[in-house]
Amino acid sequence: GDSVTQMEGPVTLSEEAFLTINCTYTATGYPSLFWYVQYPGEGLQLLLKATKADDKGSNKGFEATYRKETTSFHLEKGSVQVSDSAVYFCALRDGTSYGKLTFGQGTILTVHP
Amino acid sequence: NAGVTQTPKFQVLKTGQSMTLQCAQDMNHEYMSWYRQDPGMGLRLIHYSVGAGITDQGEVPNGYNVSRSTTEDFPLRLLSAAPSQTSVYFCASSYTRQGNTEAFFGQGTRLTVV
Repeated sequence: GDSVTQMEGPVTLSEEAFLTINCTYTATGYPSLFWYVQYPGEGLQLLLKATKADDKGSNKGFEATYRKETTSFHLEKGSVQVSDSAVYFCALRDGTSYGKLTFGQGTILTVHP
Repeated sequence: NAGVTQTPKFQVLKTGQSMTLQCAQDMNHEYMSWYRQDPGMGLRLIHYSVGAGITDQGEVPNGYNVSRSTTEDFPLRLLSAAPSQTSVYFCASSYTRQGNTEAFFGQGTRLTVV
């Protein structure tokens, strides 16, 4: 079945540092890929998405590129802020399972001033 | 626009008790889902629905029932609560249009079973 693997966390960075959170996936067909963010005490919000190979999703300075050859969708940001502290989830939806998402374990990011 | 509304936000149950977690969406989305979030395990799908009257099991359905009598509502029923069901529960609704899709999540229900 489908699966998503994220890098082990938590991740602790200083403000303005470069961020990478690794995500790899296993799926049949052509999945859509997502990054969701969960701020403390809140639900999940869509951060960015990509629906086909080589697409780049971007939002709020975050980027991720859909790499079919390496089955990866790594999240990057050039300069993190304290306000980016949150839990980040990589997820996929396969081509036929509308309404069903498969999530990675989540990565806790803490950014210090 | 309220989006996805879950009630209650917090609940404590005794082992063996039953309860219903409510979920409502006002975006006319055809798809709705329930997930549970446990530390180190991400979100796991419990049940989902592709439209009114149609439901199916996800990855971890045991101990939970759902129904979808209207497009707007998708309640999750715990039949006989167990400590293993202590978790944070999220409801989501989603749409798919011309290959584009997005899921919207509620604020979550934190359930403790003692």
